[in-house]
Amino acid sequence: GAGVSQSPSNKVTEKGKDVELRCDPISGHTALYWYRQRLGQGLEFLIYFQGNSAPDKSGLPSDRFSAERTGESVSTLTIQRTQQEDSAVYLCASSPYRLDEQFFGPGTRLTVL
Amino acid sequence: SQKIEQNSEALNIQEGKTATLTCNYTNYSPAYLQWYRQDPGRGPVFLLLIRENEKEKRKERLKVTFDTTLKQSLFHITASQPADSATYLCALQRAGNMLTFGGGTRLMVKP
Repeated sequence: GAGVSQSPSNKVTEKGKDVELRCDPISGHTALYWYRQRLGQGLEFLIYFQGNSAPDKSGLPSDRFSAERTGESVSTLTIQRTQQEDSAVYLCASSPYRLDEQFFGPGTRLTVL
Repeated sequence: SQKIEQNSEALNIQEGKTATLTCNYTNYSPAYLQWYRQDPGRGPVFLLLIRENEKEKRKERLKVTFDTTLKQSLFHITASQPADSATYLCALQRAGNMLTFGGGTRLMVKP
């Protein structure tokens, strides 16, 4: 079946612009996660959605970052007034349940000039 | 503060040998530990999950150990192949909480 998909695969933007990144999880997966991975680094947790519960936003680095999820489907991560330090690969993952293995998308590579 | 350490230096081994990767953690009491493989330009792929009450778990050529006293997990790939070359990430999870990932160790298997 289809895995987790993310779009765009690459995004180049100018400092100060807003960007929206999209994640389509595996159908039926109730949990959805966003991570950031800087070059040569590990994954940094950003936000987590579980069903209709309030999202866990504890990993968002600043109020410029926000995310939404429609039911148990698509999620968008929005970064406002982008800064050069936002340049990274943004990975989305979904899982059938919170404690299960996570299935990752290919990521969106964001470059802020 | 909580810390998960994986050797940041690449591990180079010869094809056919056993690769052993280490994941150490401090100030953490994980209930679960997971290992993922990540190839360049791709998202991580799940390999194995081991629970705190399990000492060892195997899957084909992979073996993971979990020592909660030493606060360490070892990840072994036996009869390694060039196709095993990738970055391997460990991730820890307390019951009910998020996964926290280590920085990963790059493995290079030479033919």
